[in-house]
Amino acid sequence: EAGVTQSPTHLIKTRGQQATLRCSPISGHTSVYWYQQALGLGLQFLLWYDEGEERNRGNFPPRFSGRQFPNYSSELNVNALELEDSALYLCASSRRTGSTEAFFGQGTRLTVV
Amino acid sequence: AQSVTQLDSQVPVFEEAPVELRCNYSSSVSVYLFWYVQYPNQGLQLLLKYLSGSTLVESINGFEAEFNKSQTSFHLRKPSVHISDTAEYFCAVTPRGNTPLVFGKGTRLSVIA
Repeated sequence: EAGVTQSPTHLIKTRGQQATLRCSPISGHTSVYWYQQALGLGLQFLLWYDEGEERNRGNFPPRFSGRQFPNYSSELNVNALELEDSALYLCASSRRTGSTEAFFGQGTRLTVV
Repeated sequence: AQSVTQLDSQVPVFEEAPVELRCNYSSSVSVYLFWYVQYPNQGLQLLLKYLSGSTLVESINGFEAEFNKSQTSFHLRKPSVHISDTAEYFCAVTPRGNTPLVFGKGTRLSVIA
């Protein structure tokens, strides 16, 4: 069974540009979570999607947005990139009901120059 | 709201020595507790979890953690570490149910030969 897959692995953008990150959950999982892992800050919760809807978002500005598609894959969009957006972005998926574990992808390393 | 405090950002330890990585949490409701491990340039992998029942939980590679409700702690221990245990370890909590994990800032375990 394939795990959570994220693309691209690495992404380099310049300040002010937009970045799009993609995530495919494990088959059968309907919930997708996005986290930002910036140096020294641990994992900060960004967004939670389930059954195509945004269920919760963390304390991030509106230029961080996303969506979940009918096949439960997800996109994270970051507009007007700033240098401090440089981080590892991790996606995780879980089953909607009776879920006790989230499975993580390898992440997308976003570098803003 | 929940929060997690990992008291040590870095823990150096000699090979074959014991180690304890500390984790305290704050929550007004019952929670599930997790330890995840992140090896260099990889995503997060679940190490072990406490859902209910026995307060001592074990992983397949020799780690164990004990849930202490009165001290709101979930410390991770291993009696004898190996070089391959060098990684970053994250403690996480979630209220019972399908909600996003809240992570601590991580503890970097460095095993010295």
